[in-house]
Amino acid sequence: DVKVTQSSRYLVKRTGEKVFLECVQDMDHENMFWYRQDPGLGLRLIYFSYDVKMKEKGDIPEGYSVSREKKERFSLILESASTNQTSMYLCASTLPGDRGGTDTQYFGPGTRLTVL
Amino acid sequence: QKEVEQDPGPLSVPEGAIVSLNCTYSNSAFQYFMWYRQYSRKGPELLMYTYSSGNKEDGRFTAQVDKSSKYISLFIRDSQPSDSATYLCAMSENYGGSQGNLIFGKGTKLSVKP
Repeated sequence: DVKVTQSSRYLVKRTGEKVFLECVQDMDHENMFWYRQDPGLGLRLIYFSYDVKMKEKGDIPEGYSVSREKKERFSLILESASTNQTSMYLCASTLPGDRGGTDTQYFGPGTRLTVL
Repeated sequence: QKEVEQDPGPLSVPEGAIVSLNCTYSNSAFQYFMWYRQYSRKGPELLMYTYSSGNKEDGRFTAQVDKSSKYISLFIRDSQPSDSATYLCAMSENYGGSQGNLIFGKGTKLSVKP
């Protein structure tokens, strides 16, 4: 079974703090994704990575950065947290179709971040 | 027009009812269609995966794709309280060439009452 883990289930931070969210997958998946999920807005893609040290902006990258130094780990960084970044953050990974996968994304349990 | 439209609900049904969840889409290039189930405070988990048009059945769940109408459905037979969750549809264009990006619906919240 694919396992995607996220470093924290719940996190409370103050405005202006630098925040690190970590995601690890154990299935040697090429692609990894960070989303945020808000009521009424659904899942919105922040960043994704299709290889180590590679990253691509998603739909809402402003205020975020990412790091992928190892294949299994994808980090989301909030450089200076703001209250409008209070959200549920979900990490996902996939083995894309051109590498024998199905594009199916496997999600972690999520991190509920509150910025005060 | 958004790429994928999904009624957010909430949808409340009695135990044992047949549930129909739907998504419409505008991009005729979508070929791969998925349904995810998300329990409260958890990440989405894959429920069904279908390619192109047709039906796929797995136990009490049936996924249906009608590409001519750009319409996909998930049917749940004999619904149970444990089916109470948010259901998200997702789709993608390319298999074997994409970066694995999916387009998600916003999700329909389902509540099955005992």
